[in-house]
Amino acid sequence: DGGITQSPKYLFRKEGQNVTLSCEQNLNHDAMYWYRQDPGQGLRLIYYSQIVNDFQKGDIAEGYSVSREKKESFPLTVTSAQKNPTAFYLCASSIRTSNQPQHFGDGTRLSIL
Amino acid sequence: GQQVMQIPQYQHVQEGEDFTTYCNSSTTLSNIQWYKQRPGGHPVFLIQLVKSGEVKKQKRLTFQFGEAKKNSSLHITATQTTDVGTYFCAGRNNDMRFGAGTRLTVKP
Repeated sequence: DGGITQSPKYLFRKEGQNVTLSCEQNLNHDAMYWYRQDPGQGLRLIYYSQIVNDFQKGDIAEGYSVSREKKESFPLTVTSAQKNPTAFYLCASSIRTSNQPQHFGDGTRLSIL
Repeated sequence: GQQVMQIPQYQHVQEGEDFTTYCNSSTTLSNIQWYKQRPGGHPVFLIQLVKSGEVKKQKRLTFQFGEAKKNSSLHITATQTTDVGTYFCAGRNNDMRFGAGTRLTVKP
């Protein structure tokens, strides 16, 4: 089955620690996205990538970093600079960035210890 | 910057009643997409509207795109308990922006 796999499902971070959330897709999609979801605020775009080795900041990129070394993979690192990282993180992909539906993974719920 | 506003934030209905959620953009959109997120799940694409004044139907769901391409609505006729979830609009200008969603609960 083609799809998007996010791991882990739950993640706990200690103060001052960087953590990396995994996102892998086997849909052969060019574009990939990371969103943060907080209660009552919908989906806010953190970073997106249209092609390999290229990515753009979204609305709330501060405290986060990404890489796109392979078409299938778009990992998100939540750095210690992100002071309020507790949230539900969703990865998505689409064939291209324009006029195409996005397919979402099951998400990673990040909490602070 | 581009903003997409969605109302209401919450809607609780009796099973069999109708439900509508509205989406408004500060800028003209090239297209708008609608997604549904079940409790504990991830957003799932429902439909995309592209043309001014476009209306599309999926069984009990009716989607509309405004004439000015700045607003959209999703209407559910005779809600069922399976309709429970949060409905998001996502509007594209240069980039795509999601509304905050409308959380629908249905009382059997």
